[in-house]
Amino acid sequence: DTAVSQTPKYLVTQMGNDKSIKCEQNLGHDTMYWYKQDSKKFLKIMFSYNNKELIINETVPNRFSPKSPDKAHLNLHINSLELGDSAVYFCASSQGQGVYGYTFGSGTRLTVV
Amino acid sequence: KNEVEQSPQNLTAQEGEFITINCSYSVGISALHWLQQHPGGGIVSLFMLSSGKKKHGRLIATINIQEKHSSLHITASHPRDSAVYICAARSPNYGQNFVFGPGTRLSVLP
Repeated sequence: DTAVSQTPKYLVTQMGNDKSIKCEQNLGHDTMYWYKQDSKKFLKIMFSYNNKELIINETVPNRFSPKSPDKAHLNLHINSLELGDSAVYFCASSQGQGVYGYTFGSGTRLTVV
Repeated sequence: KNEVEQSPQNLTAQEGEFITINCSYSVGISALHWLQQHPGGGIVSLFMLSSGKKKHGRLIATINIQEKHSSLHITASHPRDSAVYICAARSPNYGQNFVFGPGTRLSVLP
């Protein structure tokens, strides 16, 4: 009954590989997000997406791409992984702009070796 | 300098104490978000506010738009309140995305 679920929880992979992180929400929210939390614990928005609009943080490399098969899912694909991509990635969802708050997934710790 | 600043960076309190965590930002905002990140890493949304004050249980969040400042208060603190508290500001200057502060690490001792 988890509201926002991410898989996998941990991901260790080699440089140059392509990987995906999946996110699903069962809250009926219309907007989903991907955040990156770096080693200094700063959370930074990567993408926000609803049925109408994908907003990309311009600082995100184009090796990162969100894929949304339907409004309950927003997966994160990463091509040609680099050491600097190691971080914790959080998925979140909200209704509209999140007047009532966001619901976060439990995070995926990605380690690139 | 971060667009969103928090103070203190670290805070240790005794159980039962009243706690205040401060957040300041440099531009006009449309909303301010307080979040709690547990030691295990999970993130919980606490409050979203754009004016005035909100209360939920022992937590109170206030915002002063003119002073570009928000505070999170915890009354009768408890060891289970130990977490990192993060504020985030949304502004047209940020493309309506949230910009996150560095967090305040709170430890409440029994």
